[in-house]
Amino acid sequence: DARVTQTPRHKVTEMGQEVTMRCQPILGHNTVFWYRQTMMQGLELLAYFRNRAPLDDSGMPKDRFSAEMPDATLATLKIQPSEPRDSAVYFCASGFQTGGRNTIYFGEGSWLTVV
Amino acid sequence: QQQVKQSPQSLIVQKGGISIINCAYENTAFDYFPWYQQFPGKGPALLIAIRPDVSEKKEGRFTISFNKSAKQFSLHIMDSQPGDSATYFCAARKDPGGYQKVTFGTGTKLQVIP
Repeated sequence: DARVTQTPRHKVTEMGQEVTMRCQPILGHNTVFWYRQTMMQGLELLAYFRNRAPLDDSGMPKDRFSAEMPDATLATLKIQPSEPRDSAVYFCASGFQTGGRNTIYFGEGSWLTVV
Repeated sequence: QQQVKQSPQSLIVQKGGISIINCAYENTAFDYFPWYQQFPGKGPALLIAIRPDVSEKKEGRFTISFNKSAKQFSLHIMDSQPGDSATYFCAARKDPGGYQKVTFGTGTKLQVIP
């Protein structure tokens, strides 16, 4: 049963600390997304990769957030320094884009609390 | 600017009843409209989707109705069951030049009571 794997599942950290979230997309998928979910804003797209290349990170605060795909099996989202307002659930999703079709599959999320 | 507006924010339905969630959009460039279901502690999962050239799509107890001229679409859950209790998100996708960006609605928390 292929699925998107995210680590850590839960993270509590102090303000100012660096946080790194990792994602293993489904094998063979060529698109990777990072979403942030909060009660106030719902699901916000932070970054989008296709074939490991970043295509859109316009939704990501550039001063403290960075997203990378070192290889096809790993995507990372880093926050440095973290702030209490970054507390949210961060979802990674992957899909395979071919022609006009691309169903995306979400991981179970990384629950981040910054105190 | 919220590109996909979803209502209601929450919904309580009796078991066996019909649950209806509505969404509206502005951007006519959207070409694909999926609905996602999210259970507590889990990520959203694709439930059903429709393209704008179709007015209705049905899969089991779940039906999407699509009104292209009104730029509205809705999810109907027939014979609602307690196991359907979850948060439902409508979404819309546009694909300018091969970049498929999905915009989500704000979600509807559905509770089906026995």
